[in-house]
Amino acid sequence: DVKVTQSSRYLVKRTGEKVFLECVQDMDHENMFWYRQDPGLGLRLIYFSYDVKMKEKGDIPEGYSVSREKKERFSLILESASTNQTSMYLCASSPGQDEKLFFGSGTQLSVL
Amino acid sequence: DQQVKQNSPSLSVQEGRISILNCDYTNSMFDYFLWYKKYPAEGPTFLISISSIKDKNEDGRFTVFLNKSAKHLSLHIVPSQPGDSAVYFCAASDSGSARQLTFGSGTQLTVLP
Repeated sequence: DVKVTQSSRYLVKRTGEKVFLECVQDMDHENMFWYRQDPGLGLRLIYFSYDVKMKEKGDIPEGYSVSREKKERFSLILESASTNQTSMYLCASSPGQDEKLFFGSGTQLSVL
Repeated sequence: DQQVKQNSPSLSVQEGRISILNCDYTNSMFDYFLWYKKYPAEGPTFLISISSIKDKNEDGRFTVFLNKSAKHLSLHIVPSQPGDSAVYFCAASDSGSARQLTFGSGTQLTVLP
């Protein structure tokens, strides 16, 4: 089974802090994605990556950056956390041209 | 502007009956559609998909119907079981945009025993 592991299940941070959310997948997938899930808005794409050191902006990249130094790891960085970044963050991966995503369990981030 | 819309935030169905979840889209470039199921404290899991060259795809108790002219798809679950209680997300992609999915806002399905 594909496993996508997100490092933290719950995270509480203060406004202005730099926040790192880590995601690791074990199936050698080329593609990795970061989404956030908010009530009434569904899942919105923040950033994605097709290959190591490659990154593309999604629909809502403002206030975020990403890093993909190794194929299996995709990190989401909040440079200066703000309260409107309180959300459930979901990492996903997929192989090649396949649209079927495999998701991690999510990180519930609260910014106070 | 949401390109994929699920207008019913919630749906309750009696066990054994049919559950019908609906999804509308506005982008005529979408050519591949998926349904995901999400339980609390877990990530979404893939359920079923359909390509725009088809109008129906079936997998066990789950059937997805696509009406391209109406830009509408639906997920039918027959018979519904209490374990089907979850949030269901509709998603769509445009092959030209290479693997990016646009998700709807989700529908909470509750199957009552």
